[in-house]
Amino acid sequence: DSGVTQTPKHLITATGQRVTLRCSPRSGDLSVYWYQQSLDQGLQFLIHYYNGEERAKGNILERFSAQQFPDLHSELNLSSLELGDSALYFCASSVRDGNTIYFGEGSWLTVV
Amino acid sequence: EDKVVQSPLSLVVHEGDTVTLNCSYEVTNFRSLLWYKQEKKAPTFLFMLTSSGIEKKSGRLSSILDKKELFSILNITATQTGDSAVYLCAVMNSGGSNYKLTFGKGTLLTVNP
Repeated sequence: DSGVTQTPKHLITATGQRVTLRCSPRSGDLSVYWYQQSLDQGLQFLIHYYNGEERAKGNILERFSAQQFPDLHSELNLSSLELGDSALYFCASSVRDGNTIYFGEGSWLTVV
Repeated sequence: EDKVVQSPLSLVVHEGDTVTLNCSYEVTNFRSLLWYKQEKKAPTFLFMLTSSGIEKKSGRLSSILDKKELFSILNITATQTGDSAVYLCAVMNSGGSNYKLTFGKGTLLTVNP
């Protein structure tokens, strides 16, 4: 158990819908990262927050957004969902930027 | 564009064999290279390497980084069926206050009894 908590573990939703994935980082960690993992693309970096501020954006679609709250938990919002958005979404955290990143168990999203 | 390439993509060995997994990279502002093991879900951290030529070791696993040739290897000796997993290499780079971790596609290791 890495100490990073993600909910929900599994989610099935229809195309066009919107979902929110939640992440609680390890106690004391200020950095939160979101990754998407699909069979053909591997682990793709989406976005990074540090202490509530967005630090870096990767291959994140405009339909997706994220934020990190004052209590350091983070949410990833996915809207206008398409079949291709079906994937495993990981949250990861680290004490501060540049340190080892620890992953949560992931949220498996299936869009039907 | 930052790039991390792992080889081989998959590998099948017998218990007791020794394996070497490779990772090469091309990134700007390299900071560190990390190895993860992914079995069913979450990647679990194995090693973080920042300096060339210094071997990191944990039990039967070891890893080393060559910053001049831009690659790293992960060795597993006396493999066991429990070593079967996808091994991911990731490179952390920084640009100002931004840090990014770029992953390779992984090496799928299957250890047969």
